[in-house]
Amino acid sequence: EVQLLESGGGSAQPGASLRLSCVASGFMFSQYAMSWVRQAPGKGLEWVSGIIWSGATTYYADSVRGRFTISRDNSKNTLYLQMDSLRAEDTAAYFCAKVGPIGEGGYFEYWGQGALVTVSS
Amino acid sequence: DIQMTQSPSTLSASVGDRVTFTCRVSQSISTWLAWYQQKPGRAPKLLIYKASSLQSGVSLRFSGSGSGTEFTLTISSLQPDDFATYYCQQYHSYPLTFGGGTKVEIK
Repeated sequence: EVQLLESGGGSAQPGASLRLSCVASGFMFSQYAMSWVRQAPGKGLEWVSGIIWSGATTYYADSVRGRFTISRDNSKNTLYLQMDSLRAEDTAAYFCAKVGPIGEGGYFEYWGQGALVTVSS
Repeated sequence: DIQMTQSPSTLSASVGDRVTFTCRVSQSISTWLAWYQQKPGRAPKLLIYKASSLQSGVSLRFSGSGSGTEFTLTISSLQPDDFATYYCQQYHSYPLTFGGGTKVEIK
């Protein structure tokens, strides 16, 4: 059974940093691309960042580029999102998502339960 | 960026109804489109990928169609468990983008 377990969410002041982690199990983590998707309270889904299986290539939404860094440790089956220079508009539930098989594209096959990040002074 | 427009934003329907919603895309994405279902307080769940491929374990009530710039998700006979919000997502190119969602409410 695929499981994705996020942690590291919480409250932060504007300008502060937080790091989210997502521990994966139930599949060969090192063979799949992964992404982070967020959802502000009462709003729709927004893709934030993605990383290929090896970690060699990363992608970012314009809204977070230069402030957030995605990374992975395949030896620990763990995906990370380092969030710096946080803004109030970053307040959201952050979902870790497993991307579909290589060659089939970037849809999100499985999702974690979400980690809540609240940015407020 | 590729823009995704879902319609309607809200749909009122009854159990047993056949419902269809639409996702329109600002440029051609072939069939690189997925559909998700989300219930309040829960993570989204993949229903359809590549426009019409049913994800394993998903009810045969759900079907997807379309290509290029216009796509549809159909629920053949609405069940109580289907009242939720549905999102489309393109994965033709980065940044990956979602539609604004269609909320299916009980009539």
